[in-house]
Amino acid sequence: DAGVIQSPRHEVTEMGQEVTLRCKPISGHDYLFWYRQTMMRGLELLIYFNNNVPIDDSGMPEDRFSAKMPNASFSTLKIQPSEPRDSAVYFCASSSLREQGDQPQHFGDGTRLSIL
Amino acid sequence: DQQVKQNSPSLSVQEGRISILNCDYTNSMFDYFLWYKKYPAEGPTFLISISSIKDKNEDGRFTVFLNKSAKHLSLHIVPSQPGDSAVYFCAASAAGKLIFGQGTELSVKP
Repeated sequence: DAGVIQSPRHEVTEMGQEVTLRCKPISGHDYLFWYRQTMMRGLELLIYFNNNVPIDDSGMPEDRFSAKMPNASFSTLKIQPSEPRDSAVYFCASSSLREQGDQPQHFGDGTRLSIL
Repeated sequence: DQQVKQNSPSLSVQEGRISILNCDYTNSMFDYFLWYKKYPAEGPTFLISISSIKDKNEDGRFTVFLNKSAKHLSLHIVPSQPGDSAVYFCAASAAGKLIFGQGTELSVKP
């Protein structure tokens, strides 16, 4: 079975540029999560969707960040304009039920983002 | 304010011995606790979980213990194998959201 697929795996760009990260969740999963991992803050939830609808975006750091899920098989996380402090590894995860213990989240391999 | 804490950034264990990873939390409303394992350049993978109404869950070499009064959980790996070397994250679930600890890097030496 294909897992959660993220692209690109690595992205290096200059500050001020727009960055778009992509995620394809596991087929049949109705929850999708975006996380960011940094040395200072660890792994933190940015936003999550249920049935393509954003449920909680309280972790999105600021208005420069936006996320969409136009259909059940695709989501994007966009940063515009990007800043050096956005450099981090961004993970996408999906799950099939809200009960985390019974249906835990499955993570993609992440996008390592470097903003110069 | 960190709701989930893993106070040991690293742990080194000999192959065949027991590895014990610890995690503390502050919020009594968490309903599930999970452990994830992460290799470099990969995403975290689910290892084992425990409901807040239980105090122990076992899956092969992995056992998670929950002490609600102390707001503490631990992951035991017996026997430890070199392939277990990875970063282990403790996570707590509330209202469908996971809150992760900072991780503990486990090194199992042959």
